[in-house]
Amino acid sequence: GQQLNQSPQSMFIQEGEDVSMNCTSSSIFNTWLWYKQDPGEGPVLLIALYKAGELTSNGRLTAQFGITRKDSFLNISASIPSDVGIYFCAGPTSQGAQKLVFGQGTRLTINP
Amino acid sequence: KAGVTQTPRYLIKTRGQQVTLSCSPISGHRSVSWYQQTPGQGLQFLFEYFSETQRNKGNFPGRFSGRQFSNSRSEMNVSTLELGDSALYLCASSPTQETQYFGPGTRLLVL
Repeated sequence: GQQLNQSPQSMFIQEGEDVSMNCTSSSIFNTWLWYKQDPGEGPVLLIALYKAGELTSNGRLTAQFGITRKDSFLNISASIPSDVGIYFCAGPTSQGAQKLVFGQGTRLTINP
Repeated sequence: KAGVTQTPRYLIKTRGQQVTLSCSPISGHRSVSWYQQTPGQGLQFLFEYFSETQRNKGNFPGRFSGRQFSNSRSEMNVSTLELGDSALYLCASSPTQETQYFGPGTRLLVL
């Protein structure tokens, strides 16, 4: 089945640093979604990408839909303590647009 | 608009019991999906309901079932609980085909 490989698995950074993470697949995706999950809560949608090459920002977050449609990137600029959490990429599977497949997540830890 | 709500937030059951979890989608959203999240397997799709019909199904045993009511509220049921069913169960509702909005989840512990 379709799988998403997310990297890195974890990141330890200093407050104020920029962060980059990515997601790749051997299959083509028509939509890329980026979510953030805080402990004990459900994932919160950060950015949705619908078109190859698309670059979309949400505050300090910027995500890109790769030209090959097999990858996506999420960047966080000037990290702050509330950015701590687990970031997931996700995309709808070929079986159905409502059936999302998720990456393994990138756990972000920030040292003040 | 209120977000997706799930009840209960926490649940402890013993092996062999059954459990029912509830989800109320965002007002106006007709699609409700369920996911299981565990440390080992990550987020895995269980099933999706639209207009009271199951439209998509993941690779879970028949012990996992669900339904949707006419007001779009959904329930999922797990029968004959096993230790491995301990997980965070997440419900998501959707206004479109691609974007899904998640609730806070129900954390189930099976002893």
